[in-house]
Amino acid sequence: DVKVTQSSRYLVKRTGEKVFLECVQDMDHENMFWYRQDPGLGLRLIYFSYDVKMKEKGDIPEGYSVSREKKERFSLILESASTNQTSMYLCASSQIRGEKLFFGSGTQLSVL
Amino acid sequence: GENVEQHPSTLSVQEGDSAVIKCTYSDSASNYFPWYKQELGKGPQLIIDIRSNVGEKKDQRIAVTLNKTAKHFSLHITETQPEDSAVYFCAANNGNAGNMLTFGGGTRLMVKP
Repeated sequence: DVKVTQSSRYLVKRTGEKVFLECVQDMDHENMFWYRQDPGLGLRLIYFSYDVKMKEKGDIPEGYSVSREKKERFSLILESASTNQTSMYLCASSQIRGEKLFFGSGTQLSVL
Repeated sequence: GENVEQHPSTLSVQEGDSAVIKCTYSDSASNYFPWYKQELGKGPQLIIDIRSNVGEKKDQRIAVTLNKTAKHFSLHITETQPEDSAVYFCAANNGNAGNMLTFGGGTRLMVKP
């Protein structure tokens, strides 16, 4: 069974902390994505990567960075967490960019 | 960039009834329109998708229709069952910017037994 695995289901951090969200996929997909999900706003793209060490900004990259050192792993980094980054974070992967995305179960991040 | 609007935000139907969720998009270059279902505690899962060269697509109890002229597409679920209860998201690709998906705001569907 194909899988996208996010390291934490729930995470609580303090304002100003550096936060790492990890995502691993086992489908050998080229493309990986980080989305943020907020009620009524749907899913908004933060960053995506179409190859190892490659990254592109999505619609809301401010306050975030990413790292893709290996094909199967894509990390989202909050350099200095703020309360407005409290949200559900979803990682996804796909073989074709923008099509047939496979999502992880999400990480609910609370920044206090 | 692309803008996708989805209605209604919540929908309650009786088991066995039909449910319809509608989306509009703004980018005339969009040519791929998927629908995702998100069950409680899980990530979204692709349930059906349609390309702009097709007006309708069916898969058992679900169907999607596309009107390119009006820039809207809809998800139809017939003979709804309690397990259809979930949040549904429509999306459209951005044909001129890397083929990224823009998602609608989501519809919470509740099917009452």
